[in-house]
Parts: sequence; C-alpha cells; structure tokens
Amino acid sequence: SQTIHQWPATLVQPVGSPLSLECTVEGTSNPNLYWYRQAAGRGLQLLFYSVGIGQISSEVPQNLSASRPQDRQFILSSKKLLLSDSGFYLCAWRGQREKLFFGSGTQLSVL
Amino acid sequence: SQQGEEDPQALSIQEGENATMNCSYKTSINNLQWYRQNSGRGLVHLILIRSNEREKHSGRLRVTLDTSKKSSSLLITASRAADTASYFCATDVSAGYALNFGKGTSLLVTP
Repeated sequence: SQTIHQWPATLVQPVGSPLSLECTVEGTSNPNLYWYRQAAGRGLQLLFYSVGIGQISSEVPQNLSASRPQDRQFILSSKKLLLSDSGFYLCAWRGQREKLFFGSGTQLSVL
Repeated sequence: SQQGEEDPQALSIQEGENATMNCSYKTSINNLQWYRQNSGRGLVHLILIRSNEREKHSGRLRVTLDTSKKSSSLLITASRAADTASYFCATDVSAGYALNFGKGTSLLVTP
C-alpha cells in the first residue's frame, strides 16, 4: 500500500534562516506531488506541484522553492525565512482515482 | 487559488443530529471532493462526486452537486463526537492538475 512521509512535524526557525522540508512517497511510482500551505483559520493554498523528476510548477511567487530530485521525493526550501512563511505545510500525492493523499503536515513557526 | 467557499464557517451540533455543510465554486469542474481534517493533522479524503453526478452516498455521508448553481452540500447523518473536525471541499478543474480548496467548515459535535 502507498504511504506518504513528511518531516519534521514541528519546526521553529528564526527570521532569515534557511528551510528544508522533505516529503517521500512509498508504494507508487511517478506520482503527481504537491506542496500546500495552510495559514491559521484559512484554507489550503497551493504552493508547488510536480508531475515528474525535475518538473516543478510554482503557483505563488515568494521566497520558497521546491525540488524533486527523485521520483518519490519532494523538497520545499527557502534560503531566508520571513515571518509570513509561518503556517502548516502539507505534502500530498495524487493517486489514479483522482483523490489526494496528504502527509501529516509540518507546523512551521518563524520567529 | 481558492475556488471553493464553504458555508457555514463554523457549526456546532449535538450528537445524533445531522450536519449540513455547503460549498460554492466559480468555474466549471471535472469533479468535486470533500476532505476532513482533524486538528493539527493532514487532510483525509471522504468522497468524490463527478460533474455528471447529482448525488452520492458513502456510509453516513451524502453529497449533492448542482452544477447549474455551482454548489455542493455534504450531509453527515447521526453525527458523533468523533466527527468533530474541519471539512473542506475541493474542486478539480483540470485533470492531472491540483485541487483548489476552500477555507473549510469547522464542525463541533458535543456529546
């Protein structure tokens, strides 16, 4: 069966520090992968999606970037975090039946 | 971008009552999906309804879709305390692309 792993679960970082969040999927090949962000009390905002290795589409211009170095690995990065980057980050993959499977999320607090 | 808009934003009911949540969207869709999110966790897929379907059932869940009004509703019958969570609708406007999520309805079911 397919599983998705996302880490870390919580992260507290100072403004201006770098960021790296990792997501891996098991049990499937060539999945579509997604990074969403959820601000407190708000819905999910699509940040990046990828349909294959090295193929990244950005939805929101910002100081975040994403990479897909391997088929089932999706990384969200920043060189310098801003206060506004705080939020709940969710990785997801899309199965053949069109629904999304989400990781458990990373709560990022930028102080 | 967010396309779905749930209503109400918050709903409080007692166990045994039915809970109804509504979702409105703006553009044509391939399908509409409902997800559930427990506090601090990832989203879990509940049910998918295609644009050519009008109603769908899954256990205690009933979803309706009115494409002429660009709206959907999720009914949870005989609610339980364990149903306490946030519920999101998500629209699929382009096959293989990402889902657009609304801001969600926060449901509280009290014993």
